Amino acid sequence: QKEVEQNSGPLSVPEGAIASLNCTYSDRVSQSFFWYRQYSGKSPELIMSIYSNGDKEDGRFTAQLNKASQYVSLLIRDSQPSDSATYLCAVSDKVIFGPGTSLSVIP
Amino acid sequence: DAGVIQSPRHEVTEMGQEVTLRCKPISGHDYLFWYRQTMMRGLELLIYFNNNVPIDDSGMPEDRFSAKMPNASFSTLKIQPSEPRDSAVYFCASSLNPRYEQYFGPGTRLTVT
Repeated sequence: QKEVEQNSGPLSVPEGAIASLNCTYSDRVSQSFFWYRQYSGKSPELIMSIYSNGDKEDGRFTAQLNKASQYVSLLIRDSQPSDSATYLCAVSDKVIFGPGTSLSVIP
Repeated sequence: DAGVIQSPRHEVTEMGQEVTLRCKPISGHDYLFWYRQTMMRGLELLIYFNNNVPIDDSGMPEDRFSAKMPNASFSTLKIQPSEPRDSAVYFCASSLNPRYEQYFGPGTRLTVT
């Protein structure tokens, strides 16, 4: 089992829909989790961080963490074509990134 | 702040040549990370430093790779000799703490022919 796994893409959603991105991790003691967005040909940029169980909302983005299930997700509400990118889940205690999920928002 | 600065942005070299990639972290960040990204393997951590000291180099693929951080504002990643399989985008990132967010540089696209 890989240490950080993400749902395989590509994921396509229509404009205005909710995009759901999932990530699981293997190290039960992990404490800090991040979602980065990477546009093609660009470097990753942080969009959300989450440290405790539950939901964290920032604008159209909501991160959800469930440490018991070793699961972290990212919801993007009212998806826009500009959200089309690869989303990387990171577990920072061991500085490990998931393989990424490619999201395409169709106008 | 200008963010993390990397140079060169693109490097094309022939197999067997030495390649040196450079990074200037954000001022005040005590942690510096080197990553390699390919389509096949994704984003891989190569090595990271804390206060100029290498903490974890378990991701360095082999002895052909070496990294140094002679001071708080400069780091290098060297590949000698380079091979075609080293072709990738190499990112440098810095952070106040590995439990906090990392700020990535623009990357160096390396092509070894």
